[in-house]
Amino acid sequence: QKEVEQDPGPLSVPEGAIVSLNCTYSNSAFQYFMWYRQYSRKGPELLMYTYSSGNKEDGRFTAQVDKSSKYISLFIRDSQPSDSATYLCAMMSWNAGNMLTFGGGTRLMVKP
Amino acid sequence: DVKVTQSSRYLVKRTGEKVFLECVQDMDHENMFWYRQDPGLGLRLIYFSYDVKMKEKGDIPEGYSVSREKKERFSLILESASTNQTSMYLCASSSARREQFFGPGTRLTVL
Repeated sequence: QKEVEQDPGPLSVPEGAIVSLNCTYSNSAFQYFMWYRQYSRKGPELLMYTYSSGNKEDGRFTAQVDKSSKYISLFIRDSQPSDSATYLCAMMSWNAGNMLTFGGGTRLMVKP
Repeated sequence: DVKVTQSSRYLVKRTGEKVFLECVQDMDHENMFWYRQDPGLGLRLIYFSYDVKMKEKGDIPEGYSVSREKKERFSLILESASTNQTSMYLCASSSARREQFFGPGTRLTVL
């Protein structure tokens, strides 16, 4: 079993929909949680970074962490065709130095 | 803004050639990383460095070496390129226990 599980998709939604992207993890030592967006043939771009349970909002994006359930989510409100990309979750634990453990990525397609 | 740059966006090499991939970051980060990304396999860590002249093996170091002579620059070397090293190569940097920032990637094709 992988340490971080993420549904690969593709997830196809109409423009304007609310999108929910999720990751589950097994390592309770994970303390930092990140979401990256990766457009085709480009490097991953950091979207959100959080280290506490609860919600963190940035514009149309909300990151949610539930450490008790070992579950994180990224919500995208009013989704746009420009949000079409692969979304990667990533996690870091205190005792693994500076290493990130990545999910496999979910491909999102927002249709006009 | 953090900027991580990679020397080439696209590279085509022949089997057996020595290949250098360069990465430069401008944020004075201690840590630098090299990953490769393949469909269905996700991001896999090749090597990382937490200080000048320091290097640590990642999950898939075989066939690769690295060099970090200056804090801002981290090079990945393929001593003798093989077709199974055709991939997207991504460099990243971070400060201690913080998020990583990625470069645009180098798509390497080995013929």
